[in-house]
Amino acid sequence: GENVEQHPSTLSVQEGDSAVIKCTYSDSASNYFPWYKQELGKGPQLIIDIRSNVGEKKDQRIAVTLNKTAKHFSLHITETQPEDSAVYFCASNSGGSNYKLTFGKGTLLTVNP
Amino acid sequence: EADIYQTPRYLVIGTGKKITLECSQTMGHDKMYWYQQDPGMELHLIHYSYGVNSTEKGDLSSESTVSRIRTEHFPLTLESARPSHTSQYLCASSDVGAYNEQFFGPGTRLTVL
Repeated sequence: GENVEQHPSTLSVQEGDSAVIKCTYSDSASNYFPWYKQELGKGPQLIIDIRSNVGEKKDQRIAVTLNKTAKHFSLHITETQPEDSAVYFCASNSGGSNYKLTFGKGTLLTVNP
Repeated sequence: EADIYQTPRYLVIGTGKKITLECSQTMGHDKMYWYQQDPGMELHLIHYSYGVNSTEKGDLSSESTVSRIRTEHFPLTLESARPSHTSQYLCASSDVGAYNEQFFGPGTRLTVL
């Protein structure tokens, strides 16, 4: 089955710096890659996603890139703010599944003021 | 905005009690999911449903059971709670489609004494 590896597990940056979280996946048939943000005491919230027919997608300070050949995708947050502090999860749709997501183990991002 | 609700948000209960965690969504989504989230952040799929009267076990074995009698409602039941069931339980839903964009509820924090 699909395996999603996420790095780093923890990331600490200064306010205003950029943060990058990387994920790799194993099943070349996977074609949907969402990113979730989970704040303390809340459920994960979808913040951006990318489909395999696109190499990059941007939404204000957040961008995601996808390299299908290398089977890896990354989340980029620019001009980080303290409210960006949270746990971030990458996921893939497990070989093109229309019901299942395989999640990475999460990255705890801390933005220091 | 996704409307998916979970009650209770927090539950502390003694060993041997029967409990039901409620999950409801108002989006008319056919697919619903239960995840267990351990203290290390990782998300584990324990149950999912394609629609009314459809339930399947997920990747992580769980002693809990689920039912799907109505599209909007997907309760999870533990017949006899044990301390090993202490965890965060997250419900999610997604629409029919080629991709699997899942929306999460706020979660139920269960503590079994």
